Amino acid sequence: KAGVTQTPRYLIKTRGQQVTLSCSPISGHRSVSWYQQTPGQGLQFLFEYFSETQRNKGNFPGRFSGRQFSNSRSEMNVSTLELGDSALYLCASSLRESGTGELFFGEGSRLTVL
Amino acid sequence: AQKVTQAQTEISVVEKEDVTLDCVYETRDTTYYLFWYKQPPSGELVFLIRRNSFDEQNEISGRYSWNFQKSTSSFNFTITASQVVDSAVYFCALSEAANDYKLSFGAGTTVTVRA
Repeated sequence: KAGVTQTPRYLIKTRGQQVTLSCSPISGHRSVSWYQQTPGQGLQFLFEYFSETQRNKGNFPGRFSGRQFSNSRSEMNVSTLELGDSALYLCASSLRESGTGELFFGEGSRLTVL
Repeated sequence: AQKVTQAQTEISVVEKEDVTLDCVYETRDTTYYLFWYKQPPSGELVFLIRRNSFDEQNEISGRYSWNFQKSTSSFNFTITASQVVDSAVYFCALSEAANDYKLSFGAGTTVTVRA
């Protein structure tokens, strides 16, 4: 079955712009999580959505937001981009009902802010 | 607060050597989950194993094995007879029962296997 799909895979933005990243989870998975990966901070949890509700949030400023649609697809948005937002943004889906905590990750969206 | 420490930043071995990756964690919860993920150059994180805090049995899966010791808060990972395809970044991660889908990752260990 198809894995987690993230689009776009690569993008370049300039400071002050905003960006929207998309994630389509594995069919049947209703939980979608987002992580930011940078060389300096490593992998950091952004937020998790389940059945269109944000269940958990990491320590990121309000410029980072997300949402989930009724088909479980999720988007995350970063407004007023800063140089430090350059990162690989990873989306993961899971079968929350199974309680296994196993996350299936996509290949990520690599954002470069100039 | 939960925390995961991977002491080794990089490990380089020659093919067929064994390699052990260390992972030490901190948590106040009595119920928690430990994970290992592999990140090849393509970027996606590949799930390797999950262990809950009540299951201290060691596990072997092919050339991979894991040693979980609650007494030392460690969850170490060994690759036996390494192969070039094992070259990747390996992450140890922890989640607590109350936030079981929020993983805290270690900094990762880059493993390079030379032919």
